[in-house]
Amino acid sequence: NAGVMQNPRHLVRRRGQEARLRCSPMKGHSHVYWYRQLPEEGLKFMVYLQKENIIDESGMPKERFSAEFPKEGPSILRIQQVVRGDSAAYFCASSPPQGRMAFFGQGTRLTVV
Amino acid sequence: GESVGLHLPTLSVQEGDNSIINCAYSNSASDYFIWYKQESGKGPQFIIDIRSNMDKRQGQRVTVLLNKTVKHLSLQIAATQPGDSAVYFCAEVGGSGNTGKLIFGQGTTLQVKP
Repeated sequence: NAGVMQNPRHLVRRRGQEARLRCSPMKGHSHVYWYRQLPEEGLKFMVYLQKENIIDESGMPKERFSAEFPKEGPSILRIQQVVRGDSAAYFCASSPPQGRMAFFGQGTRLTVV
Repeated sequence: GESVGLHLPTLSVQEGDNSIINCAYSNSASDYFIWYKQESGKGPQFIIDIRSNMDKRQGQRVTVLLNKTVKHLSLQIAATQPGDSAVYFCAEVGGSGNTGKLIFGQGTTLQVKP
């Protein structure tokens, strides 16, 4: 039973490029959450999605960031025109319907050069 | 606004001793709390959780205590081992009826000396 899968594990982008981070939830999980972790800090909630719906995006920056969780395929966190301040570890978590516990993936470490 | 914070950024203990990591939270309406362990380069790993209708919950070598009066959580690790070295986060589940939206504290680094 595979856990939450994120890819790539490491991503390097030049300023102004786009970054796409992918997350496949655990089998049977229909809720996906994205978190960002800056160095030496805790994780900060970004967005909560269910299949084809954004439920809570209160933690998403207003510009350049978007997320989706299509009916088929992984959830995608997209960052357009990346800047150095976007460098961070991005974690995805998933939970089942009615579940209170979220399980985390290993994260994608984004470096903007 | 809501916040969850941790006391002491770093805790150093001798192997075999017990460790106590503390956490304060501010939202008195929170009803579910989780402790996570994060090793370098990895994602957070669930350790133990507790609901607000409980004061104490025990797992294998770990115990979580909840004091709702002063809005304080603690994680106790018995007979600390080198493999326990990591950053520990308490997290509060936020949002009414929501599952997984977590509010994390800053973390405490646990260093275990051999």
